[in-house]
Amino acid sequence: DQQVKQNSPSLSVQEGRISILNCDYTNSMFDYFLWYKKYPAEGPTFLISISSIKDKNEDGRFTVFLNKSAKHLSLHIVPSQPGDSAVYFCAASGLQGAQKLVFGQGTRLTINP
Amino acid sequence: EADIYQTPRYLVIGTGKKITLECSQTMGHDKMYWYQQDPGMELHLIHYSYGVNSTEKGDLSSESTVSRIRTEHFPLTLESARPSHTSQYLCASSESNQPQHFGDGTRLSIL
Repeated sequence: DQQVKQNSPSLSVQEGRISILNCDYTNSMFDYFLWYKKYPAEGPTFLISISSIKDKNEDGRFTVFLNKSAKHLSLHIVPSQPGDSAVYFCAASGLQGAQKLVFGQGTRLTINP
Repeated sequence: EADIYQTPRYLVIGTGKKITLECSQTMGHDKMYWYQQDPGMELHLIHYSYGVNSTEKGDLSSESTVSRIRTEHFPLTLESARPSHTSQYLCASSESNQPQHFGDGTRLSIL
C-alpha cells in the first residue's frame, strides 16, 4: 500500500512558465512534507519542506502548498528554467520529521526552451 | 551543505561475491540511512541508524546488513550477491529532525 503517490511520471513545461508537481498521501499521521530534486547520476537534493501547521511555504522560485483536508500537496516552480529539469520526489514523515521518510515514485520534469 | 560520500559509484560483479558499499559523512550527523531505488520507483528504506552501535531494518526487507561502529561511517554488506540485488543504493544522513542529505549513490549490477 503506497502511502505517498505522485501520479504523474513525467511533466513537460515551457521555459518561463509555471511548473506544478502534485503529490497525494493517505496516512493522516504525516505532518511534515519535503520535496527533493534529483539529477541523473546524483543523489536527491533537498529543495523545500512544509509542516502541517502551515498551508504554504515559499523559497525563491519554489512554493509548496499543503491541503490537509484533501491530503494533497503541490510544488510550484515559477518561472521554470532549463536547470529545473530533473526528477522531483515528494516525501512525508510523522512527528514533525522525527519519523522515517516515505517517498513517492517521482515526477520527471522537463523544461523546454 | 552536508558532505556525504559513497563508494564505489558503480559496481558490476558476479553472483556469489561478498560486497561492501561504503558511506561516510563529515557532518557528525547522528542519523544515517540506506535506501534502495529501482528506476522510476520510489526510494525504499532498507536500514537506518540513530547512533553508534544502533541499527534497525527499514520498511523494505533486504538481505543486506549494516554496521555503525563510528558516527561518520555506515557501510552496507551483501554476503553473497545475487542478480535480484541489482539496484541503486543511496545513503543519507541527518541531524535531529532536519532534512536528510544524500550521497550520490552506488549503482550495483550483479551478473
